[in-house]
Amino acid sequence: GAGVSQSPSNKVTEKGKDVELRCDPISGHTALYWYRQSLGQGLEFLIYFQGNSAPDKSGLPSDRFSAERTGGSVSTLTIQRTQQEDSAVYLCASSFLGAGDTGELFFGEGSRLTVL
Amino acid sequence: SQQGEEDPQALSIQEGENATMNCSYKTSINNLQWYRQNSGRGLVHLILIRSNEREKHSGRLRVTLDTSKKSSSLLITASRAADTASYFCATDRGSTLGRLYFGRGTQLTVWP
Repeated sequence: GAGVSQSPSNKVTEKGKDVELRCDPISGHTALYWYRQSLGQGLEFLIYFQGNSAPDKSGLPSDRFSAERTGGSVSTLTIQRTQQEDSAVYLCASSFLGAGDTGELFFGEGSRLTVL
Repeated sequence: SQQGEEDPQALSIQEGENATMNCSYKTSINNLQWYRQNSGRGLVHLILIRSNEREKHSGRLRVTLDTSKKSSSLLITASRAADTASYFCATDRGSTLGRLYFGRGTQLTVWP
């Protein structure tokens, strides 16, 4: 596609419900990243995929958070039993990770999650 | 933990003035990147400077890198109201695995 696509753009859910956030990266990009941004804050790293594998899951805040990537393309971030502190904008980015360098990341517009 | 620390946290200037934002980091890096984020939007890449480079230009943007001081600056010349946004620096902490570490950003407001 032309850019990184995320859905839904907005999600309001009740505490305790599960949510799924989807990211469709730029075609051909091998690396995919999930970040979280709380109001007025910087970006908190969640997880990174190279192909379908996740070499770095160190940023996932708890075992309620999980992510997968299939076919080296679309990724889904799942939050189980949502809590109010999960409210944030979840940003997905992709890049073509060449050898020996971390290049430019292309970000989606984000999924704004509000947990009531 | 934050790798990049931008300062100032907020900057307010008039159109036509130059805006300078700084970023400090703690570890070795392969490259440092600057991103811009308009309110409610995703981040947009502005410029990448490699560790063996000292200065880079792109249009009205000028980025410098001082690896001895572990710092970088982003200069926007002749600012416009449309430059109003948050600006973030990001580093790779010397890793080639692809993860970028972002600072908290500088909120720039340019008044017409």
